[in-house]
Amino acid sequence: SQQGEEDPQALSIQEGENATMNCSYKTSINNLQWYRQNSGRGLVHLILIRSNEREKHSGRLRVTLDTSKKSSSLLITASRAADTASYFCATDGNSYKLIFGSGTRLLVRP
Amino acid sequence: GAGVSQSPSNKVTEKGKDVELRCDPISGHTALYWYRQSLGQGLEFLIYFQGNSAPDKSGLPSDRFSAERTGGSVSTLTIQRTQQEDSAVYLCASSALAGINEQFFGPGTRLTVL
Repeated sequence: SQQGEEDPQALSIQEGENATMNCSYKTSINNLQWYRQNSGRGLVHLILIRSNEREKHSGRLRVTLDTSKKSSSLLITASRAADTASYFCATDGNSYKLIFGSGTRLLVRP
Repeated sequence: GAGVSQSPSNKVTEKGKDVELRCDPISGHTALYWYRQSLGQGLEFLIYFQGNSAPDKSGLPSDRFSAERTGGSVSTLTIQRTQQEDSAVYLCASSALAGINEQFFGPGTRLTVL
């Protein structure tokens, strides 16, 4: 079974709205990362949050981490059509391997 | 500076043939990873190289899969006697240090086995 599971699997919103994606994981971690993937090809790193951090911001992105619930959320504010992509969370499970969830497919309608 | 590059970008092969996929990591990155992504799925870890240490091959799905990393830089993933279920996008990533650092991904190789 996968370490990270994203929710929802798919999300469709109007441009300008906020998009929230959630990730749950199973084991303890050193850090959790969010990645974005366009058109099923290479992933782009968005943000990393360490296990001792609760919230982190980067531009229009806001990530929260609740280690007691083993969950994280990614908020994209004021979404744009160009934000349409798949978003994955990845956890390290206290090792060098990243375990990726199955992703959330985000569609931002113009 | 150049990012992670992979070649070929697309590969179509017949069942039973061998294929080689190449990854050029970012210069100076000591950690290199191979992943496989089937259509609409997440990434499946295949193999990990870190410096001169023995690679972690625990994710390789069968003995038809092998990988090497020459001179601590370029890596080749080889799939022997390809099967239709091997069809997927194969992604390579590198990082400056294993673990806490972000991984930088190549564009992937889309493998189609007919």
